Amino acid sequence: AQSVTQPDIHITVSEGASLELRCNYSYGATPYLFWYVQSPGQGLQLLLKYFSGDTLVQGIKGFEAEFKRSQSSFNLRKPSVHWSDAAEYFCAVGPFGGYQKVTFGTGTKLQVIP
Amino acid sequence: DVKVTQSSRYLVKRTGEKVFLECVQDMDHENMFWYRQDPGLGLRLIYFSYDVKMKEKGDIPEGYSVSREKKERFSLILESASTNQTSMYLCASRTTGQANEKLFFGSGTQLSVL
Repeated sequence: AQSVTQPDIHITVSEGASLELRCNYSYGATPYLFWYVQSPGQGLQLLLKYFSGDTLVQGIKGFEAEFKRSQSSFNLRKPSVHWSDAAEYFCAVGPFGGYQKVTFGTGTKLQVIP
Repeated sequence: DVKVTQSSRYLVKRTGEKVFLECVQDMDHENMFWYRQDPGLGLRLIYFSYDVKMKEKGDIPEGYSVSREKKERFSLILESASTNQTSMYLCASRTTGQANEKLFFGSGTQLSVL
């Protein structure tokens, strides 16, 4: 069965500092991997995704993520955090090719302090 | 722009009532999903559908059923609402096909069962 683990429930960083949010997945075949962001009172928005090719993927708002098959990880990074990045971040895994379920992690809530 | 519409933003129901949550998408997507979102638990998949009249159980289907009579509409039914079904319910539809792979979420329905 597919699953996603986000080990950090809350993370606090200072504005301008770098950020890394961890995600580990379990999936038996080639996965689609996603990061979504949910700002307070907002719906979920896709930040970036990986399905093949270059293991370092770029997303919106200056985020990037690196797929490491050997570690079953897909960590999200940003070199310099802005106050507007305060939100909840969800990692997700789905099968290649669609028509099956997409499984989300429990989320990491990011707090940004001035 | 892509649109997933959930009929109610807030809903208050009594224990034992039958509850219908409606979701409509305007993108001709085949895949549609119902998740519930609870603090600390992330998004958990209740049911999904990959075509009209086709449905698959997700990870937490107990106490719920779904209906997909038309491609654009996916309904979640709580046959007899209980207090532990108080939650935020999110509907999503999905493009498929490599670079286009993405979930589009509605704005959610906050259901309170008293």
